[in-house]
Amino acid sequence: DAKTTQPPSMDCAEGRAANLPCNHSTISGNEYVYWYRQIHSQGPQYIIHGLKNNETNEMASLIITEDRKSSTLILPHATLRDTAVYYCIVLKTSYDKVIFGPGTSLSVIP
Amino acid sequence: EPEVTQTPSHQVTQMGQEVILRCVPISNHLYFYWYRQILGQKVEFLVSFYNNEISEKSEIFDDQFSVERPDGSNFTLKIRSTKLEDSAMYFCASRKDRATDTQYFGPGTRLTVL
Repeated sequence: DAKTTQPPSMDCAEGRAANLPCNHSTISGNEYVYWYRQIHSQGPQYIIHGLKNNETNEMASLIITEDRKSSTLILPHATLRDTAVYYCIVLKTSYDKVIFGPGTSLSVIP
Repeated sequence: EPEVTQTPSHQVTQMGQEVILRCVPISNHLYFYWYRQILGQKVEFLVSFYNNEISEKSEIFDDQFSVERPDGSNFTLKIRSTKLEDSAMYFCASRKDRATDTQYFGPGTRLTVL
């Protein structure tokens, strides 16, 4: 699976959009970009995933660049409950285990 | 929305004792996993399980660990003789299939070995 690079930490003002970047320059054609988050010692929570098109669900939007070498997770109106560690993970179509990196620690500030 | 559940939420045990951590995966899921997270560290893969057998296991998953699906709903992780370093959060996950489906995690069991 391709390696990802994320900033270790970010701050975001409550009510503003949180834009979390991820680089995955070695991604291959059959690899998806997945985002999970972990709110203080709780189980990792699935957010969204995509292959090459932008995706949106009730939690977030995922923007993947045309060359697929990077992506951005957007939380449109961050709340204090969005404070968590966010993991960008690249997984093959038939992946089995999920390998978590250090992620980005997002702090939403009142 | 269906969820993965785990019991107990917190288990305290003495070193050398056996513990069994229980998970109820989402009902129509076929692939099951255990992960652990030592305090302050990354979430680490332990084992994957499909069709009543282990598909893959990590170096952490040694002879002290075993997994079982004793019935149609539960998935268990047993640690035969716990060590201090087994203290961690243990997360169960499940997945419907391997094609494109997402892995969903439970809330975790905090295991404390004294």
